Amino acid sequence: SYELTQPPSVSVSPGQTASIPCSGDKLGDKHTCWFQQKPGQSPVLVIYQDNKRPSGIPERFSGSNSGNTVTLTISGTQAMDEADYYCQAWDSGTYVFGTGTKVTVL
Amino acid sequence: EVQLVESGGGLVQPGGSLRLSCAASGFTFSNYWMTWVRQAPGRGLEWVANMNGDGSVTFYVDSVKGRFTISRDNAKNSLYLQMSSLRAEDTAVYYCTRDTYSYGGRDYWGQGTLVTVSS
Repeated sequence: SYELTQPPSVSVSPGQTASIPCSGDKLGDKHTCWFQQKPGQSPVLVIYQDNKRPSGIPERFSGSNSGNTVTLTISGTQAMDEADYYCQAWDSGTYVFGTGTKVTVL
Repeated sequence: EVQLVESGGGLVQPGGSLRLSCAASGFTFSNYWMTWVRQAPGRGLEWVANMNGDGSVTFYVDSVKGRFTISRDNAKNSLYLQMSSLRAEDTAVYYCTRDTYSYGGRDYWGQGTLVTVSS
């Protein structure tokens, strides 16, 4: 079965840039999304179709897709961005989520 | 305002059955693909199943094929997940989601309903 791999954790200082990679076989050929989940809350869509932001998502969130890796970048990270982040890929009607990355803002 | 409200979760014995419901409001339900996503306690997200707007197309994750059935009633603005032959590994919070954007861009999620499979 298809798998998406993310680092378990990423630490970032306030105001700095956090980069969260997600890797999978031929991932660059698939459509990807990113979700943010804070403790005790339902996930929130932050990036769809590789690099589009839904209404209400700050511009500091961006997505990129290259080769076997997609990356969520949070520029000027704020304390409120501390959360778990999941990538998701679409492949022929079915979906796979990444393993998830906990972002800590130190 | 878009709202998705799940119900039907609870404690069930291994091998048992349960039907989850999701009541949708605030949008034209029949226009959207709908999806069930689950999350085991302390674990990551797992896509379970989805269905197109008129109910003619469905997809399932391999681990639930033959055991779970997704369905919808557009007249009642409701999505369902019939779960049978439940296993301990099906224990999770089950979320109902609306796929607003193509390729999995689900921007509305319910609050989730907890299913616990245990003897």
